[in-house]
Amino acid sequence: QVQLQQSGPGLVKPSQTLSLTCAISGDSVSSNIVGWHWIRQSPSRGLEWLGRTYYRSKWYNDYAVSMRGRITIDADTSKNQFSLHLNSVTPEDTAVYYCARNRYFGMAVWGQGTTVTVSS
Amino acid sequence: QSALTQPPSVSGSPGQSVTISCTGTSSDVGYYNRVSWYRQPPGTAPQLMIYEVANRPSGVPDRFSGSKSGNTASLTISGLQAEDEADYYCASYTTSITYVFGTGTRVNVL
Repeated sequence: QVQLQQSGPGLVKPSQTLSLTCAISGDSVSSNIVGWHWIRQSPSRGLEWLGRTYYRSKWYNDYAVSMRGRITIDADTSKNQFSLHLNSVTPEDTAVYYCARNRYFGMAVWGQGTTVTVSS
Repeated sequence: QSALTQPPSVSGSPGQSVTISCTGTSSDVGYYNRVSWYRQPPGTAPQLMIYEVANRPSGVPDRFSGSKSGNTASLTISGLQAEDEADYYCASYTTSITYVFGTGTRVNVL
């Protein structure tokens, strides 16, 4: 059974970088049949897809247009985990952040969610 | 990328059927058969109910069914039960190599 365990700070100061990690059990981050995603949810914007990383003989990343230039998603194969880095955060980035595993164009496994508040 | 459009809420009595629509464009819902549906009870992470328009993951009751016509996808819940009361979201892959979620629909069981 695949499980995702999120970790990271719940409070980030404006202009700093938000970094969250998603540890994978029951699967490999280097699997060539799945993708690893980050999604966030806020009352004002609902569910918002942020981006993904996936391995198909080499690593690929795709990011939401609205996030490009501020976001990086990377994988650590030695720790079997992947991470989200969002820089220059503002209070608009306050949200619950989820990681998720996608196969067959459906996100069947989700992390527990991390509430991140951007405030000084 | 604009969010897919869903009705804010739908309601039904136990045993009835309800259908949730999800309207996108020819660049997402209308282009690919890559629409998925998620149920989200309060305070929990979304749960996959349908993938690739009409496929149910293992463990999802056959009361849940999906379909698509043009730029609009639909989720139908038959034999509505109290436990079905939750928020439901659609999502689609897009021609921009991104994903987009719907605005969400609250299902109320009367």
